[in-house]
Amino acid sequence: EVQLVESGGGLVQPGRSLRLSCRASGFNFRDYAMSWVRQAPGKGLEWVGFIRSQAYGGTTEYAASVKGRFTISRDDSESIAYLQMNSLKSEDTAVYYCTSEYDSGGYYYNDDWGQGTLVTVSS
Amino acid sequence: DIQMTQSPSSLSASVGDRVTITCRASQSISRFLNWYQQKPGKAPELLIYAASTLRSGVPSRFSGGGSGAVFTLTISSLQPDDFASYYCQESLTSPYTFGQGTKLEIK
Repeated sequence: EVQLVESGGGLVQPGRSLRLSCRASGFNFRDYAMSWVRQAPGKGLEWVGFIRSQAYGGTTEYAASVKGRFTISRDDSESIAYLQMNSLKSEDTAVYYCTSEYDSGGYYYNDDWGQGTLVTVSS
Repeated sequence: DIQMTQSPSSLSASVGDRVTITCRASQSISRFLNWYQQKPGKAPELLIYAASTLRSGVPSRFSGGGSGAVFTLTISSLQPDDFASYYCQESLTSPYTFGQGTKLEIK
């Protein structure tokens, strides 16, 4: 059974940093791209970014709203994906989900999701 | 960036109704379109990928259609478990933008 478990959320002051972790199990983690999606309270889903598998260079892509402040990385030996969030703003307050990205004939989709971890940015 | 617009934003319907949600992309995305269902307090769940391919285990009352820039999600006969929020997402190019969502409520 695939499991994705996020951790690291909490209350943080504006301008500070926080690192989220996503521990994966039940699938061959190193073969899959991993994404982060967030949802502000009462709002819709916002794609944050993703990291490709090492087979595709382990490169990253980010939403404009977080580019330059957030960094996604991965540790394939531990099956963990990370979201390093710097220079946090109040508008970054959200539940953050990690999700694995699947490819079916070139069509990508997020099939497995974690339970989410809440990040609150407030003084 | 590709913009995704869903309509309606909210919808009231009854058990047994047929409902359709529309998602429009700001440019052609071929069939690179996913649909997700989200219930309050829960993570989203994939319903459909590649515009019309049903994820394994998703009831056949759900169907997806369209290509290019206009897509639909249809629920043929609403069941109590279907009252939730629905999101489309383009998967052609980064950033993989979501639509703003459609909240389906019980009439």
